Amino acid sequence: AQRVTQPEKLLSVFKGAPVELKCNYSYSGSPELFWYVQYSRQRLQLLLRHISRESIKGFTADLNKGETSFHLKKPFAQEEDSAMYYCALSENDYKLSFGAGTTVTVRA
Amino acid sequence: DSGVTQTPKHLITATGQRVTLRCSPRSGDLSVYWYQQSLDQGLQFLIHYYNGEERAKGNILERFSAQQFPDLHSELNLSSLELGDSALYFCASSVDGVAKNIQYFGAGTRLSVL
Repeated sequence: AQRVTQPEKLLSVFKGAPVELKCNYSYSGSPELFWYVQYSRQRLQLLLRHISRESIKGFTADLNKGETSFHLKKPFAQEEDSAMYYCALSENDYKLSFGAGTTVTVRA
Repeated sequence: DSGVTQTPKHLITATGQRVTLRCSPRSGDLSVYWYQQSLDQGLQFLIHYYNGEERAKGNILERFSAQQFPDLHSELNLSSLELGDSALYFCASSVDGVAKNIQYFGAGTRLSVL
C-alpha cells in the first residue's frame, strides 16, 4: 500500500512566486516525516524533518495530523530551488518510505 | 560529498546475467540501506542492514539479495536480470540502526539491462 503520496509529478513556478509541494501520508502510528531533495547532478540529501521544526533554505513544512499531510512550502521560489523533491515517512525504526517525487522547475 | 561511495557508477549488462553493486558507508556509520529508483516507481526501499544483520526488507525481489560485511561495506546482488531491472540503485548510510535518523546517500549505480 502506498504510504506516501505526492500528487504532483511536475511543478513549474516563476521566480519569486510561492511554491507548495504536496505530501500526504497513510500511517496509523506517530509518523516521522522528512523532505529529501536531489539537485541536478547531486546526491539525494535531507532538506528538513518535521521533528526539527526548522526552516531550511527558506522552506518550511508543517505536519498536519488531521489531514495527514506534510506539505513543503516556500514563499518566494528561487532558480536554485529547481530540483527533485521527495517526501518520506519513517514507518518504523528500520525503513523509510518515499513518495514518487515532485520535479520542481523555477523559471526566471 | 556525503562520504558514501558506490561502485561502479554505470553498469551495462544483458538479460539473464548477474551483477554485484557495492556500497561503502560513511566512516562510523553502521547502517546501510538500498533503494531502487526508476522512472515509473520513484524511490523504492529494498533492504536495510545494520552492523551485518538484516533489519528490514522492502519491495526486494527474490532474484535480488544483499549482505553487509564485517568491514560494514555492503553488496547488492541482482541475478537473472530482466529489462525492467534497469534503474538507478542508491545506497545510503546512517550512524545507527534507526532509519528515521539522517540517511546519507551515495551517487548511485546506473544499471542498464539490454
